[in-house]
Amino acid sequence: GENVEQHPSTLSVQEGDSAVIKCTYSDSASNYFPWYKQELGKGPQLIIDIRSNVGEKKDQRIAVTLNKTAKHFSLHITETQPEDSAVYFCAASSHYFAGGGADGLTFGKGTHLIIQP
Amino acid sequence: NAGVTQTPKFQVLKTGQSMTLQCAQDMNHNSMYWYRQDPGMGLRLIYYSASEGTTDKGEVPNGYNVSRLNKREFSLRLESAAPSQTSVYFCASRSGQYTGELFFGEGSRLTVL
Repeated sequence: GENVEQHPSTLSVQEGDSAVIKCTYSDSASNYFPWYKQELGKGPQLIIDIRSNVGEKKDQRIAVTLNKTAKHFSLHITETQPEDSAVYFCAASSHYFAGGGADGLTFGKGTHLIIQP
Repeated sequence: NAGVTQTPKFQVLKTGQSMTLQCAQDMNHNSMYWYRQDPGMGLRLIYYSASEGTTDKGEVPNGYNVSRLNKREFSLRLESAAPSQTSVYFCASRSGQYTGELFFGEGSRLTVL
């Protein structure tokens, strides 16, 4: 099945600086890569996603890049603000799990982003 | 517009007790999912339902059962709770299968003593 590795587990940046979170995936057949943001006490919420036929996608201060050859993708947040503090999860589409089931997403273990004032 | 609603938000059980987590979505989505979130482990899929009337195992199904009651509702049952099932449980839904935005509920925190 799919395996998604996410780094770093914790990232602390000064307000106004950029933050980069990186993920690698194992299944070359995966073709959909979303990023979710989880605020304290809430469920994760989609912030941006990219499909395998695109190398980069931007939405205001957020961008995602995808390198299919190397099987890694990254989230870039520019001009960070206090409200960016949260846990971020990358994910990859996976049609099969170790147990034999299909569907769903395989998530990375998350990055706790801390914006220092 | 409520989105995905989970109940209860908090529950404490003793080992061996049973309980059901309820989930309902009002977005007319076909697919529904149950995830568990543990510290340092991310989100792991327990069971999912690609459409009304179907359910399938995810990555960590042992100790759980599910029921897709109708298109709106998808419940998760713990028949005999164990301390290893202490976790935060999230229900999610989306319109299609494999891709597209997952909409999550706010979570149910379960503690098994």
